[in-house]
Amino acid sequence: GAVVSQHPSRVICKSGTSVKIECRSLDFQATTMFWYRQFPKQSLMLMATSNEGSKATYEQGVEKDKFLINHASLTLSTLTVTSAHPEDSSFYICSASDSLAKNIQYFGAGTRLSVL
Amino acid sequence: AQKITQTQPGMFVQEKEAVTLDCTYDTSDQSYGLFWYKQPSSGEMIFLIYQGSYDEQNATEGRYSLNFQKARKSANLVISASQLGDSAMYFCAMREGRSNTGKLIFGQGTTLQVKP
Repeated sequence: GAVVSQHPSRVICKSGTSVKIECRSLDFQATTMFWYRQFPKQSLMLMATSNEGSKATYEQGVEKDKFLINHASLTLSTLTVTSAHPEDSSFYICSASDSLAKNIQYFGAGTRLSVL
Repeated sequence: AQKITQTQPGMFVQEKEAVTLDCTYDTSDQSYGLFWYKQPSSGEMIFLIYQGSYDEQNATEGRYSLNFQKARKSANLVISASQLGDSAMYFCAMREGRSNTGKLIFGQGTTLQVKP
């Protein structure tokens, strides 16, 4: 299957700082990427759909100014958690849709964010 | 509204035995896709198998097969010859339509434990 790289895998930061998470499709081009959040022992919750060259589409209840998404190329989407607070601590995971493989979403390894 | 239901929070299976993980879905669309992902304790989401709503045959991928019963709206995952490495959380997901922008809706997940 296709490979999606997500970096960093873990980040610990102080309250009030911003954190950037990168999601790259390594062996295919992805016009659409997705960002999810997952709480312990729960399912994945879609935060936003990232579209190359245009604004992201956010799910209801997700703060656009809090979670900035940029999809500047066909292989890279970034999620920036701005002015992070302890309640933003979570597991964030991205996926990329491979249009040459029935639009199957392949996932990165996830980022565990801990805000102190 | 589309919905995915996994009614088994946890399952046990003896090594080398087969196990079925249940998944039912609800959608008013005629075109949709059904997916199964595996999430080990490391957190990554591993794509296992895909079934399109118009696919006449049940999908198979190695030890994984999808028992697709369209009239009953069920898409159960069958894992044959279980291995210790199969212990993980398993998620069923659905995408309406075939577009690369289609969102995935996930079920609550089933934790599978394989006993030696």
